[in-house]
Amino acid sequence: GAVVSQHPSWVICKSGTSVKIECRSLDFQATTMFWYRQFPKQSLMLMATSNEGSKATYEQGVEKDKFLINHASLTLSTLTVTSAHPEDSSFYICSAAHPGTPFLGNTIYFGEGSWLTVV
Amino acid sequence: RKEVEQDPGPFNVPEGATVAFNCTYSNSASQSFFWYRQDCRKEPKLLMSVYSSGNEDGRFTAQLNRASQYISLLIRDSKLSDSATYLCVVSYNQAGTALIFGKGTTLSVSS
Repeated sequence: GAVVSQHPSWVICKSGTSVKIECRSLDFQATTMFWYRQFPKQSLMLMATSNEGSKATYEQGVEKDKFLINHASLTLSTLTVTSAHPEDSSFYICSAAHPGTPFLGNTIYFGEGSWLTVV
Repeated sequence: RKEVEQDPGPFNVPEGATVAFNCTYSNSASQSFFWYRQDCRKEPKLLMSVYSSGNEDGRFTAQLNRASQYISLLIRDSKLSDSATYLCVVSYNQAGTALIFGKGTTLSVSS
């Protein structure tokens, strides 16, 4: 079963509205989560690193006021796309690093992703 | 500049064929290297880590050349179920947790 869960899987919203995507680690506490975006036929692009209890670190070119990230607990990070526009339509996916073990690649867990369509 | 380059393909091969994917990365400080598999409209799943000594997992063999900043994946005896997009991935931070993805190489295996 999934160890990182995202919700919703699909969302359609009107232009100008905001939409929130949740990322939950189900079996472990994740101090750090990551948010990616993937446009069709493009690579996953890291948007930001979400740190529990502190501000997120955004990658260059990602508007922090448009993509609000909150990591208020060790099992939940949220991404809110504010004032969404059609060009924000994309596949948004989170990942979480399982803590306490050296990173060997098999300790990064991805959520199932969320498809956002802005009409 | 953080960048991972892959041949996008598609690679169309018959069952049983051997296929090789290549990848180059631009950041010489990259720490860890992986191949992920992504099925259509799904999240990526780790296929295997890549080590300098080369490593094998069943029909899959991965190679890393740090001097050339080059990574490869070899798939032997292709199966229909191998059809997917294969993502070359590197991590550039010391913790090894932030991943940079290539655009992926699409493989289609036919009977």
